[in-house]
Amino acid sequence: EVQLVESGGGLAKPGGSLRLSCAASGFTFTNAWMSWVRQAPGKGLQWVGQIKSKTGGGTTDYAAPVEGRFTISRDDSKNTVYLQMNSLKTEDTGTYYCTRDWSGPGDYWGQGTMVTVSS
Amino acid sequence: DIQMTQSPSSLSASVGDRVTITCRASQGISNDLGWFQQKPGKAPKRLIHAASSQQSGVPSRFSGSGSGTEFTLTISSLQPEDFATYYCLQYNIYPPTFGQGTKVEIK
Repeated sequence: EVQLVESGGGLAKPGGSLRLSCAASGFTFTNAWMSWVRQAPGKGLQWVGQIKSKTGGGTTDYAAPVEGRFTISRDDSKNTVYLQMNSLKTEDTGTYYCTRDWSGPGDYWGQGTMVTVSS
Repeated sequence: DIQMTQSPSSLSASVGDRVTITCRASQGISNDLGWFQQKPGKAPKRLIHAASSQQSGVPSRFSGSGSGTEFTLTISSLQPEDFATYYCLQYNIYPPTFGQGTKVEIK
């Protein structure tokens, strides 16, 4: 059974940092492309970024609002993908989901972790 | 970025009704489109990928069609557990972009 479990959310001040983790199980993680998707409270879904598998080049892509502030990485030995969020803004507040990507983002989703950016 | 316009933004329907939701892309995206269902407080769940391919385990009453710029999600006979918000997602041209969502409510 595919499982994705996010952690690391919480409260951060504007300008601060947080690192989210997503632990994966139930599939061959090394072959998987992974994305992060977020949802502001009461709003729709927004794709944040993606990391390809090492065999796919291991490269990353980001949405414009987070480019240069957020970094996605992966540790295939731990079956984990990370989202390092720096220079946080109040508009980064929301629930962050990691997804396994196959035939596009969102094949499977984690339960999400809440990030609140507030002074 | 490609704009995905969903319609309607909300609808009221009864159990047993046939429901159709439309997504229009601002430019052609081949069939690189998915449909997602989200219930309150829960993570989204993919129903359809590649415009018309059902995700494993999804009831057959959910179907998708379209290519290019016009896509539809059809629920053939609405069930109580189908009341939720539905989103489309294009992944043909990066960044992937979602529609704004369609909330399906009980009439």
